[in-house]
Amino acid sequence: NAGVMQNPRHLVRRRGQEARLRCSPMKGHSHVYWYRQLPEEGLKFMVYLQKENIIDESGMPKERFSAEFPKEGPSILRIQQVVRGDSAAYFCASSPRQTNTGELFFGEGSRLTVL
Amino acid sequence: GESVGLHLPTLSVQEGDNSIINCAYSNSASDYFIWYKQESGKGPQFIIDIRSNMDKRQGQRVTVLLNKTVKHLSLQIAATQPGDSAVYFCAETSTGANNLFFGTGTRLTVIP
Repeated sequence: NAGVMQNPRHLVRRRGQEARLRCSPMKGHSHVYWYRQLPEEGLKFMVYLQKENIIDESGMPKERFSAEFPKEGPSILRIQQVVRGDSAAYFCASSPRQTNTGELFFGEGSRLTVL
Repeated sequence: GESVGLHLPTLSVQEGDNSIINCAYSNSASDYFIWYKQESGKGPQFIIDIRSNMDKRQGQRVTVLLNKTVKHLSLQIAATQPGDSAVYFCAETSTGANNLFFGTGTRLTVIP
């Protein structure tokens, strides 16, 4: 059973460009969570989605950031007009149900560098 | 969210010794706590969890202790091995919440 798959693993963008990060949850999981990790810091919650629905986006910046989890295909975290402060590792986690427990499985992350 | 902090940002131990990693939390409403291990370039990996109705839980070579009176959490690793070298995070949450609040992490280095 493949784990949570994230791609790209590394992404370099110039200021003002767009970044798209993809997350395929574990098989059978329909709940996806996105977290951001700045260097030498802990992870910070961004958004929680179920298929076709955003359940909790309380951690998402109000501008430039959006997330979706369509009926078919991976979840996408989209960052428009990136700035240097967006440089971070973005982690996706999935679960078979709504949870904040050890049933949450994390991917290996996508590392965004903004030049 | 409220802060989850760690007392020691780095910890070096000799192989075979026991390690203790500490964590302070400040949200008294938190009732569930998890320890994660994060190796370089990888995502967090679940180690062990504990609910607030317990004060101790043991796993394989790991023990988590919870002191609700002083809002303190610790992770004990017995007979530390080189493969235990990583950054360790505590995370807190409460029943019904959608998210985890992570601390800043402690880097554990095991000296062979």
